[in-house]
Amino acid sequence: AQKITQTQPGMFVQEKEAVTLDCTYDTSDPSYGLFWYKQPSSGEMIFLIYQGSYDQQNATEGRYSLNFQKARKSANLVISASQLGDSAMYFCAMREGELDKIIFGKGTRLHILP
Amino acid sequence: DTGVSQDPRHKITKRGQNVTFRCDPISEHNRLYWYRQTLGQGPEFLTYFQNEAQLEKSRLLSDRFSAERPKGSFSTLEIQRTEQGDSAMYLCASSQREGIQETQYFGPGTRLLVL
Repeated sequence: AQKITQTQPGMFVQEKEAVTLDCTYDTSDPSYGLFWYKQPSSGEMIFLIYQGSYDQQNATEGRYSLNFQKARKSANLVISASQLGDSAMYFCAMREGELDKIIFGKGTRLHILP
Repeated sequence: DTGVSQDPRHKITKRGQNVTFRCDPISEHNRLYWYRQTLGQGPEFLTYFQNEAQLEKSRLLSDRFSAERPKGSFSTLEIQRTEQGDSAMYLCASSQREGIQETQYFGPGTRLLVL
């Protein structure tokens, strides 16, 4: 079974609009962390935002926020006021409990249209 | 403040040749990870080090793959007798262990093409 599911292979969004990238996860461990990374065409994975399973509030980092719905096992990334430079692949990822490795989803390719 | 660096950025080799990649982590980070990413997929974990100790290896890491981190600083990943299926992006990441919130910072990757 997939641990991280990103159901949107690709999205096209008009510049300046808000974007929501979906991510659902599967774990039975009560302690886990959720991450979003951005990968431009250059290939480098850029850390965007983190949400811990025990965090009471949704994480925010500038234009990025994470819509964390624990009961639904959902951790959607919201990008406000999208910019052309936001065009990239976006990966949702999870670390479970005391495990050290991160498990990634297959990603969503976001295209921002001028 | 330098980030994670990897060398080379691109490598083209013929099947059967050996290749070696290098990763230099962020200087104060004690953990170093290797991932492999194929087209259309997210990165997949290969192995990681805490200081110089290799603590976990994925089943993806066949016996043709070996990784070292001899002095707990830079790391090398060697692939012997390369196969066309080894063509992928090899990503290195480093972190400082701080519990579940530990964030891994990635390098630019090495793109390998095996002909």
